[in-house]
Amino acid sequence: EAGVVQSPRYKIIEKKQPVAFWCNPISGHNTLYWYRQNLGQGPELLIRYENEEAVDDSQLPKDRFSAERLKGVDSTLKIQPAELGDSAVYLCASSLTLLETQYFGPGTRLLVL
Amino acid sequence: AQKITQTQPGMFVQEKEAVTLDCTYDTSDPSYGLFWYKQPSSGEMIFLIYQGSYDQQNATEGRYSLNFQKARKSANLVISASQLGDSAMYFCAMREALVNQAGTALIFGKGTTLSVSS
Repeated sequence: EAGVVQSPRYKIIEKKQPVAFWCNPISGHNTLYWYRQNLGQGPELLIRYENEEAVDDSQLPKDRFSAERLKGVDSTLKIQPAELGDSAVYLCASSLTLLETQYFGPGTRLLVL
Repeated sequence: AQKITQTQPGMFVQEKEAVTLDCTYDTSDPSYGLFWYKQPSSGEMIFLIYQGSYDQQNATEGRYSLNFQKARKSANLVISASQLGDSAMYFCAMREALVNQAGTALIFGKGTTLSVSS
């Protein structure tokens, strides 16, 4: 069974530029999460989807971050415009349902210069 | 207050030895789940083991076991017979029970770096 797929693996951009990350969850997983992991820290939730509905986006900086999960499968996380402080690893995870174990993708390492 | 505390920034162990990674948690919710993940330098978070708050026995998965002490609110990970490939960052995480039917995501500690030497 394929795991969670993310792309790109690495991204370097200049501040004020837009950037987008893509995630394909494990087949059949209804719940999808985006986490941000700053250097030396554990991941922190940005947004959670149940199918195509965003049910927890309280930690998403909505002035510059947006996300979508069309058709309840793949998801895209966008930052526009990026700031220096956005440099981090962006992790996508999925689970069968909210109460099941979350499985993570390899992450996208973002560096904003 | 931190919900998940991992007090060991780094741990060093020799191959074939056992090692314990500490984790304490804070919650007033009677129903919760505790998880351990491994994060190698490649960046992926790998699920290792799960313990539910109502589970009577400590969880075990191969060389991994979870020493769950509910009264002390600790959930230490024990790795037996360490291998070089165990060198990685290890995160303890908690999921609290459903809140207003909405549920919560995982809350992670800051992690412990484990280095295994030959």
